[in-house]
Amino acid sequence: AQTVTQSQPEMSVQEAETVTLSCTYDTSENNYYLFWYKQPPSRQMILVIRQEAYKQQNATENRFSVNFQKAAKSFSLKISDSQLGDTAMYFCAFMKTGGSQGNLIFGKGTKLSVKP
Amino acid sequence: NAGVMQNPRHLVRRRGQEARLRCSPMKGHSHVYWYRQLPEEGLKFMVYLQKENIIDESGMPKERFSAEFPKEGPSILRIQQVVRGDSAAYFCASSQSQGLGTGELFFGEGSRLTVL
Repeated sequence: AQTVTQSQPEMSVQEAETVTLSCTYDTSENNYYLFWYKQPPSRQMILVIRQEAYKQQNATENRFSVNFQKAAKSFSLKISDSQLGDTAMYFCAFMKTGGSQGNLIFGKGTKLSVKP
Repeated sequence: NAGVMQNPRHLVRRRGQEARLRCSPMKGHSHVYWYRQLPEEGLKFMVYLQKENIIDESGMPKERFSAEFPKEGPSILRIQQVVRGDSAAYFCASSQSQGLGTGELFFGEGSRLTVL
C-alpha cells in the first residue's frame, strides 16, 4: 500500500521569503503522479503543481516549484517570494497510473503561515 | 464555466438520522469522486463513480454509506443512521475522461457534516 508522509505539521515564513515543504512517499509502483494541493480557509482544494514520475525534470508553476527525487521518494515544494495569500494547508498527494483513476492518497498536511 | 458544486455546505444531523450530500460535477465531466476529511487529517478516498456505475468503492465503509451518480442529476453520497464519528468534511471532485491520464481532479468546496 502507498503512503504519503508530511513531517512538518506547521511552518511559517516571512512575506517575500522562500519556504520549502517536505513530502516523502512509499510505493512499489514505477509510474505514478505526485501533487501538491492548497487548502485555504475556504476549504476548497486547489491544485498547485503536478509531477509525473517518468519525467526527470522538476515541475514549475510560477513561484511554485518541486524537487522530485525519485530514488529517495521525496517530493518537496518550494514557494518563492511568499505572499500573504499563500497562507493555507498544503497537502502532498500520490496517485498511481492505471487501475482506479482518481484514488489520490494524501498526506496529513502542513499548515503554512505567511507573516507580514 | 461553473466549478464543482456541492450542497449543502453545512449539514447538522442527530444520531440515527440520514444525511444526503449532493455533488454536481463540472460541465463536461463524467467522472465523480468522493473524499472524506476528518479533523486534522488529509483527504481519504471513498468512491469513484461514472454515470450510473460505481467503478471503485474501496474506500467506502461497508455499512450505512452508499453513493450513486444517476444518468440525470447530481451525484449523491448517502449516510444512513449517522453516528458522531461521521462528522467530517466530505469533498467531491470531478474529471474529464481525457483528463484521467493527467490525473487532474477538480474539487468542490466540500460539505461539512456535524452529527450531534
